[in-house]
Amino acid sequence: QVHLVESGGGVVQPGTSLRLSCAASGFTFQTYAMHWVRQTPGKGLEWVAFMWFDGRTAYYGDSVKGRFTISRDNSKSIVYLQMNNLRVEDTAVYYCGGDPPSSGYALHVWGQGTMVTVSS
Amino acid sequence: QSVLTQPPSASGTPGQRVTISCSGSSSNIGSTTVNWYHQLPGTAPKLLLYGNNQRPSGVPDRFSGSKSGTSASLAISGLQSEDEADYYCATWDGSLNAVVFGGGTKLTVL
Repeated sequence: QVHLVESGGGVVQPGTSLRLSCAASGFTFQTYAMHWVRQTPGKGLEWVAFMWFDGRTAYYGDSVKGRFTISRDNSKSIVYLQMNNLRVEDTAVYYCGGDPPSSGYALHVWGQGTMVTVSS
Repeated sequence: QSVLTQPPSASGTPGQRVTISCSGSSSNIGSTTVNWYHQLPGTAPKLLLYGNNQRPSGVPDRFSGSKSGTSASLAISGLQSEDEADYYCATWDGSLNAVVFGGGTKLTVL
């Protein structure tokens, strides 16, 4: 069964760091591009970052560029999101998503999400 | 302000056909394919259509998509109460080097 499970969310103060993890199972992780998408409660979806299947290329949304870093370990089927210098406006549910080859950036697999709250 | 523009709300009665539009530009919809997601309250989004009109396994053929120029549409025929959800369009923007989402459309089944 195809599965993504995020972890690492929590309540942190502004200016601090947090690392999210997303563990994959049930599909060939090393062939999938992986994305992070976030959603402020009651609001729409905001794309955060993605990394190619081989880890060589990553892209970021403007609101997180320079503060967040996506990485992956294909040997463990895990993708990470390192979030530094967190701001109140980063408060959201963070989802990871899997994008199979030749799917045109379509996230076929989604995790259940992990909540990040940035508050003083 | 989302890069892709969707109507904030749509509605229909059971059995009806409804459409949801998604407007973009030449750097996104105009140059690549569009994907659609739906999200039930309190749950993670799910892929509904990819490549403009391809349905993942398990998505009924009541859902269809189209694209023309810099706009795309999602059509739902034979509307059912369980279709009540938020719907999002998304695509790659070559100028931003980013995936962009529409603001979402809340579909209400009356």
